[in-house]
Amino acid sequence: QKEVEQDPGPLSVPEGAIVSLNCTYSNSAFQYFMWYRQYSRKGPELLMYTYSSGNKEDGRFTAQVDKSSKYISLFIRDSQPSDSATYLCAMSAAGNNRKLIWGLGTSLAVNP
Amino acid sequence: GAVVSQHPSRVICKSGTSVKIECRSLDFQATTMFWYRQFPKQSLMLMATSNEGSKATYEQGVEKDKFLINHASLTLSTLTVTSAHPEDSSFYICSARQAGLGEQYFGPGTRLTVT
Repeated sequence: QKEVEQDPGPLSVPEGAIVSLNCTYSNSAFQYFMWYRQYSRKGPELLMYTYSSGNKEDGRFTAQVDKSSKYISLFIRDSQPSDSATYLCAMSAAGNNRKLIWGLGTSLAVNP
Repeated sequence: GAVVSQHPSRVICKSGTSVKIECRSLDFQATTMFWYRQFPKQSLMLMATSNEGSKATYEQGVEKDKFLINHASLTLSTLTVTSAHPEDSSFYICSARQAGLGEQYFGPGTRLTVT
């Protein structure tokens, strides 16, 4: 079993839809949770960063972490064609050289 | 804030030559930098972790003599691919993290093509 599981999709939605992306994980030591967006041939861009459990909202994006279920989500409201990209979840435990453990990424297409 | 640059963005070299890629944190001090490579339609694969002033820690299966990493300052890390071969062709991405913080910020990546 992989430490982080993420459905690779592809996911296709109409413009304006609410998008729900999620990851599950197995390591209870994970405390830092991130969502990155990656456009083709570009480096990942940090969208949301959450420490421990809870919700965080930034504009059209909401990140949720449920440590009891080992489940994290990213919601995108009023999705736009420019949101079409690959979304990667990443997480890490505490410690100085803590590595990010990545999901495979979910490919999202928002159709106008 | 939290901008990371990489140079060059693209490089084509001949087999057997060496290529150096620079990674810079522009507006923060990066105590730790990470180097990844990414193949098409795959997730990122961590190659090594480097702390400023220390030797890099390489992931299993990554040849440290082939992929030389130097983290000489709090804003600069370099990756040198020595004696490059066509199978080294890939997308190389660096990231940087401030001390005490959890998130990593990524550079735009360098596409290496070895002919």
